[in-house]
Amino acid sequence: EAGVAQSPRYKIIEKRQSVAFWCNPISGHATLYWYQQILGQGPKLLIQFQNNGVVDDSQLPKDRFSAERLKGVDSTLKIQPAKLEDSAVYLCASSPGLNYGYTFGSGTRLTVV
Amino acid sequence: AQSVSQHNHHVILSEAASLELGCNYSYGGTVNLFWYVQYPGQHLQLLLKYFSGDPLVKGIKGFEAEFIKSKFSFNLRKPSVQWSDTAEYFCAVNKAAGNKLTFGGGTRVLVKP
Repeated sequence: EAGVAQSPRYKIIEKRQSVAFWCNPISGHATLYWYQQILGQGPKLLIQFQNNGVVDDSQLPKDRFSAERLKGVDSTLKIQPAKLEDSAVYLCASSPGLNYGYTFGSGTRLTVV
Repeated sequence: AQSVSQHNHHVILSEAASLELGCNYSYGGTVNLFWYVQYPGQHLQLLLKYFSGDPLVKGIKGFEAEFIKSKFSFNLRKPSVQWSDTAEYFCAVNKAAGNKLTFGGGTRVLVKP
């Protein structure tokens, strides 16, 4: 089974620029998650999708972060404008449903300078 | 809101030593519990999970964890570590029939050869 695909692997941008990350979950997984992992901390959920609907975005900084999963398959996370504190690894994960573990992608490491 | 605490931020031990990593969570309802591992430069991988049944759970690579409901704990153990166990270990919790994973801050384990 193919894993969760994420791109790009690395991104360096200047503050106030915009950036987008892409995630393709495991085929058939209805639930997709975006997590932010700041160096030295555990991952923190940004947004959860069930098919193409948002289930939980309570911790998404909506003034600068947005995410979509238009066809219920792949997803894009955008930051506009970026701040220095957005430097982190952005992880995408998918799950076939409730009471299953997640499968994580390799992440996108973002550095904002 | 649920939270997860991992008591040790860094652990250094020699090969063949025994390892125990503490994890406590705060949530009064029924939970699912997970341990993930992140090897240097790699993505998060599931070590083991507990949903119900026998509170002693065996995972991959010789790891096991014990769920003690009265103590809200899910400690990870390995009787004899190897150099290849050098990694960061994350405990995570979600509500049963749920939803988002809440992660602890992680424990960095360094095994000296």
